[in-house]
Amino acid sequence: EVQLVESGGGLVQPGGSLRLSCADSGFTFSTYWMSWVRQAPGKGLEWVAIIKQDGSEKYYVDSVKGRFTISRDNPKNSLYLQMNSLRAEDTAVYYCARVPRSGIGAGWGQGTLVTVSS
Amino acid sequence: QLVLTQSPSASASLGASVKLTCTLSSGHSNYAITWHQQQPQKGPRYLMKVNSDGSHIKGDGIPDRLSGSSSGAERYLTISSLQSEDEADYYCQTWGTGIWVFGGGTKLTVL
Repeated sequence: EVQLVESGGGLVQPGGSLRLSCADSGFTFSTYWMSWVRQAPGKGLEWVAIIKQDGSEKYYVDSVKGRFTISRDNPKNSLYLQMNSLRAEDTAVYYCARVPRSGIGAGWGQGTLVTVSS
Repeated sequence: QLVLTQSPSASASLGASVKLTCTLSSGHSNYAITWHQQQPQKGPRYLMKVNSDGSHIKGDGIPDRLSGSSSGAERYLTISSLQSEDEADYYCQTWGTGIWVFGGGTKLTVL
């Protein structure tokens, strides 16, 4: 069973920064592309960023380019999202997830809430 | 542009069956998609991958009464013998070049 656990959410002022973490308790973390997905209050799922197994490729949704950075530490089985210059519209529950094209080994974390407000 | 379209809502009676639809945008009709369930106040749960030929690969623990199928640019999730816990939001997802795309979600009400 996929076990992904996010942490690091909280209340931050506009313009501030926050770093989210996602820990994978399994043994295959390094074999998957990993993503961050967010969900604003009352809204649907929005993909935010994705990183290749070795970290050599990273992609972002246009609205966070230049402000968010995705990274990973495979020996620590961990995924990160550094969020800078936060805006009110970044307020959401952030999930880490993997959904491989094979359809095998997919899963989601439980989410961590980020609130951007003064 | 790669877009997934879902009806905002669906409803069916307890014990009945329901078929949810996810439609791929023009030029992308051969794409596989995945289905995810989000029960109220919970995180999403991966259900299955549905290929363009209608074959599907389920996630761990997904019951047999959930199945996937395809027709042209449409991908389906069929839930049989509806139970109260099936009342949830259902999202489809696919992969572009370096990106993920989600449908807007379908809110399923079990009557």
